[in-house]
Amino acid sequence: DVVMTQSPLSLSVTPGQPASISCKSSQSLLHSNGETYLYWYLQKAGQPPQLLLYEVSKRFSGVPDRFSGSGSGTDFTLKISRVEAEDVGVYYCLQSIQLPLTFGPGTKVDIK
Amino acid sequence: EVQLLESGGDLVQPGGSLRLSCAASGFTFSSYAMSWVRQAPGKGLEWVSRIGGSGGSTYYADSVKGRFTISRDNSKNTLYLQMNSLRAEDTAIYYCAKGTASATAPDYWGQGTLVSVSS
Repeated sequence: DVVMTQSPLSLSVTPGQPASISCKSSQSLLHSNGETYLYWYLQKAGQPPQLLLYEVSKRFSGVPDRFSGSGSGTDFTLKISRVEAEDVGVYYCLQSIQLPLTFGPGTKVDIK
Repeated sequence: EVQLLESGGDLVQPGGSLRLSCAASGFTFSSYAMSWVRQAPGKGLEWVSRIGGSGGSTYYADSVKGRFTISRDNSKNTLYLQMNSLRAEDTAIYYCAKGTASATAPDYWGQGTLVSVSS
């Protein structure tokens, strides 16, 4: 199975400041078709996860452009350019290059 | 608008069975892979099972293989998860999730249904 790790596991951010979360996979997420199957989700308290970014850096419908993703192979980063109060929750990365799908442990983001 | 509505969660004794359903709307159901993902209380996300759009290809996490069965009825736009030989460690919120156009990874999720396994 592909093991996903995230750092940090918790993050406290001042509103308006940037934030960054790292996600690493135990094997490359680059498919032979040229796509990289790395996804980012945000789970707010009491809600199901919501997709933020797919295939590393593509923003899902309705996701603000303050969210961006980068990386390749096994190392990926989610960046929030200016954190807002509504961004609090747990962020998960997910790989779907092979089954079973595996999630990172989550990074809890709160506001200072 | 994509909507996924799970039902069937309940309190069940160890060794018991339960069937979860997920009613889908707002998209061409048969065109997308669907998954079940669970979340134990206070824990992270765990993918459970996946089924292809036609229902022909199914996959399971090792933790549920041989005990859970995923299926779908495309005429009813409904996804199912038959859960047998339930264990305490199966206690979780179970989410139904729609795959993206190009992968099994979920783009839309239901609100979840709670399964509690306890005597």
